[in-house]
Amino acid sequence: AQKVTQAQTEISVVEKEDVTLDCVYETRDTTYYLFWYKQPPSGELVFLIRRNSFDEQNEISGRYSWNFQKSTSSFNFTITASQVVDSAVYFCALMRSGGSNYKLTFGKGTLLTVNP
Amino acid sequence: DAGITQSPRHKVTETGTPVTLRCHQTENHRYMYWYRQDPGHGLRLIHYSYGVKDTDKGEVSDGYSVSRSKTEDFLLTLESATSSQTSVYFCAISDRDRGVNEQFFGPGTRLTVL
Repeated sequence: AQKVTQAQTEISVVEKEDVTLDCVYETRDTTYYLFWYKQPPSGELVFLIRRNSFDEQNEISGRYSWNFQKSTSSFNFTITASQVVDSAVYFCALMRSGGSNYKLTFGKGTLLTVNP
Repeated sequence: DAGITQSPRHKVTETGTPVTLRCHQTENHRYMYWYRQDPGHGLRLIHYSYGVKDTDKGEVSDGYSVSRSKTEDFLLTLESATSSQTSVYFCAISDRDRGVNEQFFGPGTRLTVL
């Protein structure tokens, strides 16, 4: 069975602070994909990143960075110098890489509020 | 942005009535999905499709059926709506045939069953 845990239900920071959103996953598969999605107050789901299980390189995109550690089954997301526009619910998700099961298993999400 | 639309965007209905939600894509992707989003549960897969007339169940498929008669349309039907089906429904597509595993989501449909 696959499971994604986002232990932080809500986080509140002040603008310009750095913030890290935690994601821990469970899977018996040796190959899989990990994802982060953003859901702003308007409600749409926005794809942020995909990471393959065989690629443990960290990734940086502007103020966003992702730390993938297979040894601890974690895929954490850091926002540097947070802005009010970063306020959203962030979801971590997991997918098997093979077979016919194409479903995304989502965590329950972390609500990030960035205050001015 | 991926070309995905959902209709209706909002619907209020009564218990026991049939409801059909439509997902339409202009990307010509083979894979389409229906999820529901509920507080405290994140998103959960209801059904998915891997081609015209090819569909399969997800983890919360009871009370739902789907149909896909054209590549661009994926319909979700609640045969007899219940209050427990009050939720936000998202459609998603992916281009797995080209190795693109991320799913892109439509704007969602908010369904209220009274």
